[in-house]
Amino acid sequence: NAGVMQNPRHLVRRRGQEARLRCSPMKGHSHVYWYRQLPEEGLKFMVYLQKENIIDESGMPKERFSAEFPKEGPSILRIQQVVRGDSAAYFCASSPPEDTEAFFGQGTRLTVV
Amino acid sequence: DAKTTQPPSMDCAEGRAANLPCNHSTISGNEYVYWYRQIHSQGPQYIIHGLKNNETNEMASLIITEDRKSSTLILPHATLRDTAVYYCIVRLMEYGNKLVFGAGTILRVKS
Repeated sequence: NAGVMQNPRHLVRRRGQEARLRCSPMKGHSHVYWYRQLPEEGLKFMVYLQKENIIDESGMPKERFSAEFPKEGPSILRIQQVVRGDSAAYFCASSPPEDTEAFFGQGTRLTVV
Repeated sequence: DAKTTQPPSMDCAEGRAANLPCNHSTISGNEYVYWYRQIHSQGPQYIIHGLKNNETNEMASLIITEDRKSSTLILPHATLRDTAVYYCIVRLMEYGNKLVFGAGTILRVKS
């Protein structure tokens, strides 16, 4: 059973471009979380999704950030018009329907130049 | 906001047991205690969770006090590869509840 897969592992974007981060949950997992970790800081919750539903987006910045988890395919975290402050590691986690333990991917490291 | 208190850092000798404490004095009756660790910027790794009974798996043991106000994660034979930030999290295991990470404990295993 493959773990949570995130791609790309590293992403470089120029200021003003769009960044798309993908997360494929573990097989049989229907819940996805996204977290952000700024350099030398802790993990901050961003959004919690179930397939085709956003359950909790209380940690999402109000502008430029969006997330989806479609019926088919991976979950996508989209950042429009990136700025230098968006440079961070973005981690995705998935959990089974009974929502017990969550398993994390290896993250996408976004660098905005 | 995190509802746990952990020491900022600890050292442990290689091969010895590492005992990581966590205080969660405001835990409610249906909140679970979870432990995760993050090894040098990798994705957080699930270790163990429990409600009120002690738990053990292939990685660690979790000892929860009878009043559930504190717990200890035990790595029985620490290795250099156990050097990481360890996070203690309390969480309701119900639909829609996220994990909230605090600052954690930096465990340094030394040879």
